[in-house]
Amino acid sequence: EVQLVESGGGLVKPGGSLRLSCAASGFTFSNAWMSWVRQAPGKGLEWVGRIKSKTDSGTTDYAAPVKGRFTISRDDSKNTMYLQMNSLKTDDTAVYYCTTCGPCIAVAGTVGAFDIWGQGTMVTVSS
Amino acid sequence: DIVMTQSPDSLAVSLGERATINCRSSRSVLFTSNNKNYLAWYQQRPGQPPKLLIYWASTRESGVPDRFSGSGSGTDFTLTISSLQAEDVAVYYCQQYYTAPRTFGQGTKVEIK
Repeated sequence: EVQLVESGGGLVKPGGSLRLSCAASGFTFSNAWMSWVRQAPGKGLEWVGRIKSKTDSGTTDYAAPVKGRFTISRDDSKNTMYLQMNSLKTDDTAVYYCTTCGPCIAVAGTVGAFDIWGQGTMVTVSS
Repeated sequence: DIVMTQSPDSLAVSLGERATINCRSSRSVLFTSNNKNYLAWYQQRPGQPPKLLIYWASTRESGVPDRFSGSGSGTDFTLTISSLQAEDVAVYYCQQYYTAPRTFGQGTKVEIK
């Protein structure tokens, strides 16, 4: 069964740090371009950033609000992606989802819509 | 960044009636070399992650009822629910995957009238 499971969310003070994990199973994780998407309470979806597969350079891209504060990494030996969040702000309070394009995994460099999603993990930034 | 704008922000439709949601991108998401629009539609029910409904602007994801359809090209797109069912109450988002950042529309809330 194809699955993504996020963990690591919780309550953190402004200026603090947190690391989220996304564990993948049921597909060839090393071939997947993985993304983080977040959703603030009562708000819409916001793409946070992505990491390409190592075959496709393994580079990362970030949304402007998190660039310089968040870092996405991956450990293909553990089928896990990470989101290191530093200098957290109250505006970062959200459910964080990991997601990927399943059909894209078979062909290197392919981009597509996100058909595989985790259930999300809640991050609350508050004093 | 490509800005995605949906209209309306919310709509109430009677059961069995048609619901239409529009999405406009600030620049074209049509990749001319393969003639594909890099545009997807998602459905999100309360407390659930988003679910992919439509990709390449008009291709229905496997298992999605055929009352859902997508159309449009370039910068203007439409999601149509031909006969609204109770289980279609949700928020719908369009998203472009033409370039990073992969931006979403602000969402359209669909309710029963």
